[in-house]
Amino acid sequence: AQKVTQAQTEISVVEKEDVTLDCVYETRDTTYYLFWYKQPPSGELVFLIRRNSFDEQNEISGRYSWNFQKSTSSFNFTITASQVVDSAVYFCALIRGGAGSYQLTFGKGTKLSVIP
Amino acid sequence: KAGVTQTPRYLIKTRGQQVTLSCSPISGHRSVSWYQQTPGQGLQFLFEYFSETQRNKGNFPGRFSGRQFSNSRSEMNVSTLELGDSALYLCASSLAFTGSYEQYFGPGTRLTVT
Repeated sequence: AQKVTQAQTEISVVEKEDVTLDCVYETRDTTYYLFWYKQPPSGELVFLIRRNSFDEQNEISGRYSWNFQKSTSSFNFTITASQVVDSAVYFCALIRGGAGSYQLTFGKGTKLSVIP
Repeated sequence: KAGVTQTPRYLIKTRGQQVTLSCSPISGHRSVSWYQQTPGQGLQFLFEYFSETQRNKGNFPGRFSGRQFSNSRSEMNVSTLELGDSALYLCASSLAFTGSYEQYFGPGTRLTVT
C-alpha cells in the first residue's frame, strides 16, 4: 500500500521568508508519480507539479522549487520569498504507475500561513 | 478552456435522505475521480470512472455510488445520509492517456448533513 506523510501540520512564516514543506512517501512500486497541490481557502485543489519516479531532476518554477530524492523517499517543496498569497494548505500525493487507475493517495496536508 | 465544474456548490440534507452530486470534466478528459475531504480523515479516494466504467473504488460503504455518462460527465450518489457524510466532495478529471497523470480538481460540493 502507498502512504504519504507530511509531518508538518502547520507552518507560519513572515512574508519574504523562505519555507520548505516536507513530504515523505512509501510505495513498493518502481514506477510512481508524485504531486503537489495547493488548496486555498476557496477549497479548490490547484495542481502545482508532477514528478515521475524515474526522473530525479529538481525543478524550479518562479519562486517554487521541488527537491525529489528517491534515496530518502522525499519530495520536498520550497517557496522562496514567501508572499501572503501563498497562504494555503499544501498537499503532497502519489499515484501508482501502471496500475490502470488514477487514484491519488494524499498526505494530511501542511497549512502554511504567511504573515505580512 | 473551461475547468472542472461541480454542482451544486453547497447542499444541506437531513439524515436518511439521499443526494446526487454532479461533475463535468474538462473537455477531452476521459477519467473522472471523486474524493471526500473531512477534517478528520483528510482527502480520501471514493472511485474513478473511465469510459463509463468504474475502474477503481476506495474503501467506502455501498451507500456511495457513482456513474459516468458517454460525454464523460459523472454523478455520485449517497443514499441514507449519515452525519458523518458531511464533507467537501471533490471531483477531478484527467486526460487518462499514458504519461498524463495530472488530475485537475473542481471547486467541490460542500455537503452538510443535519
